[in-house]
Amino acid sequence: DGGITQSPKYLFRKEGQNVTLSCEQNLNHDAMYWYRQDPGQGLRLIYYSQIVNDFQKGDIAEGYSVSREKKESFPLTVTSAQKNPTAFYLCASRPTAGANSPLHFGNGTRLTVT
Amino acid sequence: AQSVTQPDIHITVSEGASLELRCNYSYGATPYLFWYVQSPGQGLQLLLKYFSGDTLVQGIKGFEAEFKRSQSSFNLRKPSVHWSDAAEYFCAVGAISAAGNKLTFGGGTRVLVKP
Repeated sequence: DGGITQSPKYLFRKEGQNVTLSCEQNLNHDAMYWYRQDPGQGLRLIYYSQIVNDFQKGDIAEGYSVSREKKESFPLTVTSAQKNPTAFYLCASRPTAGANSPLHFGNGTRLTVT
Repeated sequence: AQSVTQPDIHITVSEGASLELRCNYSYGATPYLFWYVQSPGQGLQLLLKYFSGDTLVQGIKGFEAEFKRSQSSFNLRKPSVHWSDAAEYFCAVGAISAAGNKLTFGGGTRVLVKP
């Protein structure tokens, strides 16, 4: 079955460490996205990529980095510069970057930094 | 820039009763509108979408939504809720921009279903 795989489901890190969240899709989608979800704040866009080898900052990119070397993969690195990294992270993709193209979501990674 | 407001943070409804979730958007042109549902600890699943045409759209799981341009609203409804409808619901607007066609989400409405 096609879908988006995020791993791991739970991740624990010490403050000051960088951590990379994995996102892989086998839907052959061009566009991929990373969202952060905090209680009561909905989803906020971190980074997005409309095509391989290209990505743009979203609304809350500070303290995060991404790469898009392959169409199916869009890993997110949470760096030590991110002030409040504990959150639920969702990866999504869609066939094209068109505004009417709905997002497909992975099941998320819950990151806890202590 | 576009924005989405879901005025109700929590709604409690009895099983078998009707449900309506409110969504108001702000966008200068005709928006692309979506409703998603999220079960605890899971990703989001698309319930339905509106692009153009008939303003009443049908989705999965027995949900429907009505686009009202005059009120800038896209409210979600279900005539009779089931216990499995307990989840968080997100309204989203897709807008065209030179910086990329981003999807903006509302803050979500958590639905609790009483037996």
